[in-house]
Order: sequence, then C-alpha cells, then structure tokens
Amino acid sequence: GQQLNQSPQSMFIQEGEDVSMNCTSSSIFNTWLWYKQDPGEGPVLLIALYKAGELTSNGRLTAQFGITRKDSFLNISASIPSDVGIYFCAGEYFGNEKLTFGTGTRLTIIP
Amino acid sequence: GAVVSQHPSWVICKSGTSVKIECRSLDFQATTMFWYRQFPKQSLMLMATSNEGSKATYEQGVEKDKFLINHASLTLSTLTVTSAHPEDSSFYICSASRDTYEQYFGPGTRLTVT
Repeated sequence: GQQLNQSPQSMFIQEGEDVSMNCTSSSIFNTWLWYKQDPGEGPVLLIALYKAGELTSNGRLTAQFGITRKDSFLNISASIPSDVGIYFCAGEYFGNEKLTFGTGTRLTIIP
Repeated sequence: GAVVSQHPSWVICKSGTSVKIECRSLDFQATTMFWYRQFPKQSLMLMATSNEGSKATYEQGVEKDKFLINHASLTLSTLTVTSAHPEDSSFYICSASRDTYEQYFGPGTRLTVT
C-alpha cells in the first residue's frame, strides 16, 4: 500500500537538543496525525491536525499541517530520554477513515 | 479516555493452527475498528477495516478467508488467523475510532508461528 515519506529515517541526538522531522506525500490529505511508538507497544497519538496551515502544540511538541496539504512537520524541543522511540506521521484522505502511515523516524538519544 | 486493549499480548502457536486476537475499546464506543500488521523495523500496514454488525473491508492483497474479522459490538473486534504459517508471524495491532478521524491503538499482539 501507499506510504508517506518521512525524513530523516533516524536521528541520533544529545539530551536537550531540539528535533525536527517531516512527512511528505504526493497526495493531499485532510487530516494529519503524529504518533509515537515504543518497542513492543502500539502507537500513541501525539497531535492531530485538521486544517491546512494549522500549527498545534502539545507540551514540548509542535506540529504543522502544510499549506499544500501534502506535508507536515513535527518539532520536539529540549529532548529528554523518554522521547526515544519511533515517530510516525499518518494522513487521512477526505472521509474514508483509513490512515496511511509514514515510514517512521527513529529517535535515539546519545548519553 | 480512549483506551484500547488487546488480548493476548503475545502468542506462540504451531503451524496449521488458528489464533484469535481480541481488540476492545474500554472507555468509548468505537464506530470503526482497524487491524494492522507490522513487521520488524517497518511501518504499520492496514489489513482491514471493520464496522460493527457488517462485514470487514479488506485491503488489497489481504486474504479474507485467512484473516477472519468479527466486529460483534461497538467495543469488541476479533481477528482470527486461520491455518497459521511461519510467514504470518508478525506484530498485529488494532485501533479504534469514535466520531473523529483520530485512531487510538491497542498495545499490539506479537504472534509467533513455529
């Protein structure tokens, strides 16, 4: 099935650094969601975006829905050890309820 | 709110046997439930979408006779992997949605077929 392109694939950062990742698609979506998945667990919803241009924050996390409806980014400020995991973007296309998932960004914090 | 549970969390079965996985929305009624599978270091791939009381809609390439889905109520969906083979070993995750497009995921079930 179709997947969204996420970049970077992996990130190695030091605690306290800011993180930025993005997600792009060849198709437009009307909803963008960002999830975090820990090993052996299901994804946990972080942020939901519903309008083009929307900028939404959840604590240290900020995400934006691109104006073209074909991209989104997620920023994490002042990273902490519990931020380690895999981050997935997901898009929903106009009312069909199904989500298309990104390829994932693996975040590792170097001690 | 929006808690989804799965049972079992892991299962080992012999080749040729069937395995049933349950997905429950604990504190809300789910209009739709979804089943995904995830291979190591890969993203989630949607297998099927199910609505309470109706037949599941399967994604292209997913065998409906092998992966039986029953959505008995607004809080329970089951996935049965019939005649399991080693290539069916994977991480199976369900999700549930209520009245928005946000999906809430269960903790997943790791299936190992020997």
